[in-house]
Amino acid sequence: GQNIDQPTEMTATEGAIVQINCTYQTSGFNGLFWYQQHAGEAPTFLSYNVLDGLEEKGRFSSFLSRSKGYSYLLLKELQMKDSASYLCAVRVILTGGGNKLTFGTGTQLKVEL
Amino acid sequence: DGGITQSPKYLFRKEGQNVTLSCEQNLNHDAMYWYRQDPGQGLRLIYYSQIVNDFQKGDIAEGYSVSREKKESFPLTVTSAQKNPTAFYLCASSMPSTGGFRYEQYFGPGTRLTVT
Repeated sequence: GQNIDQPTEMTATEGAIVQINCTYQTSGFNGLFWYQQHAGEAPTFLSYNVLDGLEEKGRFSSFLSRSKGYSYLLLKELQMKDSASYLCAVRVILTGGGNKLTFGTGTQLKVEL
Repeated sequence: DGGITQSPKYLFRKEGQNVTLSCEQNLNHDAMYWYRQDPGQGLRLIYYSQIVNDFQKGDIAEGYSVSREKKESFPLTVTSAQKNPTAFYLCASSMPSTGGFRYEQYFGPGTRLTVT
């Protein structure tokens, strides 16, 4: 099976930088996703890593190390609207074909003034 | 506009009744998924379908059933056998990926089911 760990809660200040870590143990790895989810809403896609290294997209960056089973999401220039839950999800290839995502429990980020 | 719709947004049922949640997509995606989310928890996979007329159990399929008769539709039935049905249900779709392509899952707005 898969095991994904990420911190439950984090607090940061508006304008600052925050790093949300995710560690995973899995077989058949086929990519790692980060999603943002505001309370009561659907998750929205933020980033995707399948090879080692850093992917940058505006204020958001995501890093992956497959050998260490580790990823992080970096949010810069934090804004109040960034207060949300951030979900780490690992995609695995299934034996019979196809794929599925396994989600971590999410990190609730609170941005304060 | 392309997207995924789920209806209704809020649903209330009495214990012992079956209830069907709808999910429709016009993104032309082959794969569709149902997740359940409980407070403070991540998404857990109930059922998924990689192609029309085929579906597989996810991690928590007991007490649920699905059908995939059309590419666009993947309804979920919560049966009376589901012991704790009150939850936020999310439907998603994607292109099937067996390579390293991104093909992220797109989510519908969700249905909040309350069973009393």
